Amino acid sequence: DTGVSQDPRHKITKRGQNVTFRCDPISEHNRLYWYRQTLGQGPEFLTYFQNEAQLEKSRLLSDRFSAERPKGSFSTLEIQRTEQGDSAMYLCASSLTQVHTEAFFGQGTRLTVV
Amino acid sequence: TQLLEQSPQFLSIQEGENLTVYCNSSSVFSSLQWYRQEPGEGPVLLVTVVTGGEVKKLKRLTFQFGDARKDSSLHITAAQPGDTGLYLCAGATLWSGGANNLFFGTGTRLTVIP
Repeated sequence: DTGVSQDPRHKITKRGQNVTFRCDPISEHNRLYWYRQTLGQGPEFLTYFQNEAQLEKSRLLSDRFSAERPKGSFSTLEIQRTEQGDSAMYLCASSLTQVHTEAFFGQGTRLTVV
Repeated sequence: TQLLEQSPQFLSIQEGENLTVYCNSSSVFSSLQWYRQEPGEGPVLLVTVVTGGEVKKLKRLTFQFGDARKDSSLHITAAQPGDTGLYLCAGATLWSGGANNLFFGTGTRLTVIP
């Protein structure tokens, strides 16, 4: 297993454009998380899925953000009409369904909105 | 909203010194994890503690979970330059439906000077 992979690693976009990120979790993991991290801060929770069901969304996830996990495997995070404040590292993690969550992270997608 | 506060936020020490990082919350967690993150990479899991009062050791790192499962500490003995990084604690909450979430602390950036 190659671990959690995210694509792209880096994305530079102009303000107002839409962007989409992809996350491929560890194959047997049925939980998938998205976090956003700004420089020097801890990751902030955005949303998570158990299989294809989106179980929780943070208030940080405005209407411009949408996440999907259509077949319970890979997930996409789309940001519409990007703003400069969206610039951050977007992290994906996956875990097995168990009481004591141990999440394994991808390397992240660094988004820069210019 | 960050449920977990870490202190100190920044720590710069000389090689060979000891240090302790604290992770505090008013919430009770079903488990707590510690991660280390290098610049430009995703967090890497170091340890999971589950039982109140539990102590786990990982070479020169000692992790303790508070008796009430609201706080934790990480102690590093004889720090080395390779210990440099962002240390993150993360608490897992257990909801009544069985699903749980993982919330991160604010992070402690450690620099070990040779």
